Amino acid sequence: DTEVTQTPKHLVMGMTNKKSLKCEQHMGHRAMYWYKQKAKKPPELMFVYSYEKLSINESVPSRFSPECPNSSLLNLHLHALQPEDSALYLCASSLRVNQPQHFGDGTRLSIL
Amino acid sequence: TQLLEQSPQFLSIQEGENLTVYCNSSSVFSSLQWYRQEPGEGPVLLVTVVTGGEVKKLKRLTFQFGDARKDSSLHITAAQPGDTGLYLCAGFYNAGGTSYGKLTFGQGTILTVHP
Repeated sequence: DTEVTQTPKHLVMGMTNKKSLKCEQHMGHRAMYWYKQKAKKPPELMFVYSYEKLSINESVPSRFSPECPNSSLLNLHLHALQPEDSALYLCASSLRVNQPQHFGDGTRLSIL
Repeated sequence: TQLLEQSPQFLSIQEGENLTVYCNSSSVFSSLQWYRQEPGEGPVLLVTVVTGGEVKKLKRLTFQFGDARKDSSLHITAAQPGDTGLYLCAGFYNAGGTSYGKLTFGQGTILTVHP
């Protein structure tokens, strides 16, 4: 069982919809991450938050908008996504940046 | 851009066989992690290695970090069908400062162990 909880597990949305992915951890970790993963490929980093502040944005399109309301929660707001955005979206956390990261089980996102 | 070369990309073996997965780079890591990922789940952290020459064991899995901290290997003894999955190495490059949390991943090894 993972200690990083992601909801929902699956999401199907149209290109005009607005939805949010949620991630929660209660391990006292102060670094949190969003990754995108295609089938049988390694995760690709999207965003890094350190102490609730955005520290890395890997040139992600603005249709993806991250938010870190507090030290335990991380959201990813989605709007006007494209079919190529269909993927597994993984959240991870670590005690601090440059510490081993622990992943959630992801949200499987399908864009129609 | 730092590269982490992982090999082999695919491995299909019979139950009971041994195998080794390699990760190599021309750059030095401050630390390296190994993960296993099963279908429908997120990567699970297996081990972290930090010190050059370090060897860690996890049941039938043996992890080694190169003396120069540029390479690592994962050896599985007597593989079982439950070992099937995607194995990922990932490291923080020691760039004279901090990598700010950016993990560099290898391309992954898809392991299939047949009964």
